[in-house]
Amino acid sequence: ILNVEQSPQSLHVQEGDSTNFTCSFPSSNFYALHWYRWETAKSPEALFVMTLNGDEKKKGRISATLNTKEGYSYLYIKGSQPEDSATYLCAFNSGYSTLTFGKGTMLLVSP
Amino acid sequence: EPEVTQTPSHQVTQMGQEVILRCVPISNHLYFYWYRQILGQKVEFLVSFYNNEISEKSEIFDDQFSVERPDGSNFTLKIRSTKLEDSAMYFCASSEALLSGASNNEQFFGPGTRLTVL
Repeated sequence: ILNVEQSPQSLHVQEGDSTNFTCSFPSSNFYALHWYRWETAKSPEALFVMTLNGDEKKKGRISATLNTKEGYSYLYIKGSQPEDSATYLCAFNSGYSTLTFGKGTMLLVSP
Repeated sequence: EPEVTQTPSHQVTQMGQEVILRCVPISNHLYFYWYRQILGQKVEFLVSFYNNEISEKSEIFDDQFSVERPDGSNFTLKIRSTKLEDSAMYFCASSEALLSGASNNEQFFGPGTRLTVL
């Protein structure tokens, strides 16, 4: 059974704060690590697909890093805005079609 | 921008009834998936589908479940005799490819159908 864990479970920050969350996953049979942003009643939105150890990807104020040897990925949000409030999901792919998800980190950004 | 759509957004049914959840994947995608999330738990893989057949399925996807691509655009999940524990958010997803590269392995999700079994 693949175990994907995310921390913290939830986070409440003030507008302008920078924040980061962690996703840990098995370091063996790694193929890709996906990050999604999910707002209630909307489709989970793909943020990043990361495949190479040491990868760093950026989309606006959001960035992610990947360490496949130790089995973790960080997601950073610089200068959080209220519209960043969402649940951030990571999902591990071992090369088959399935994605194994973590439970998510629920972020609330207060104005 | 192309997107995955799902209907209905919310379905309430009685235990033992059959339900069909519908999805329209992105039009040039070839791989289709169903996931579900029971309230408070992780999103779980159910099944993947390619070339009109199931390519992978999880232990959850037992004989009560079936999938079909009845025409060129729809992808459906049928639960034959619903149980209370089938209550969950069901997500459909699609991808352009399977393993050939990181960018086109990306799975695009629909907004989900919340199934409530009474």
